[in-house]
Amino acid sequence: IAGITQAPTSQILAAGRRMTLRCTQDMRHNAMYWYRQDLGLGLRLIHYSNTAGTTGKGEVPDGYSVSRANTDDFPLTLASAVPSQTSVYFCASSDPGKGYTFGSGTRLTVV
Amino acid sequence: QKEVEQDPGPLSVPEGAIVSLNCTYSNSAFQYFMWYRQYSRKGPELLMYTYSSGNKEDGRFTAQVDKSSKYISLFIRDSQPSDSATYLCAMSFGNEKLTFGTGTRLTIIP
Repeated sequence: IAGITQAPTSQILAAGRRMTLRCTQDMRHNAMYWYRQDLGLGLRLIHYSNTAGTTGKGEVPDGYSVSRANTDDFPLTLASAVPSQTSVYFCASSDPGKGYTFGSGTRLTVV
Repeated sequence: QKEVEQDPGPLSVPEGAIVSLNCTYSNSAFQYFMWYRQYSRKGPELLMYTYSSGNKEDGRFTAQVDKSSKYISLFIRDSQPSDSATYLCAMSFGNEKLTFGTGTRLTIIP
């Protein structure tokens, strides 16, 4: 089934630890995105990539980094997790004129 | 003021009723307007995609865009319990980066 795969589904992480959230798509979309979703704040863009080899900062990029070595993969790294990064993280990709396709999300709790 | 405003609800309506969900926005440069549906513990899924002003219908769903008022709506006819979800409006300038509303939680009561 074509779509986006995110891993892990959920994670409890100790503060200060490093973690990478994985995202893979099989639709050959050029653009990919990472969002975090928090109650009352909605979806906020962390980082994006318009095409392989390029990345950009979104609305809330601090504490996060991304890479885009190829079209399919777009990992999100938390270098040193803090409790305020507790959230649900969604990866998405887009095809021009057709909106976004989202993954099922990663629930991250930083303790 | 947020660029996109959406009443968070919650909104509860009886089965079979017509549901009206709305968003307002402040930036007149937005050109593309979308509605996403998100079930609990799932990712958002695209429901409707429209360009500029006007109406678009797809089955029981109708999306309306009024650019002069900076106001978009989603209507659900003959609402079903399976329509119970959070509905997110989203819009873009055309560069594909979307700005989302915070979502309206909808419950259809059987």
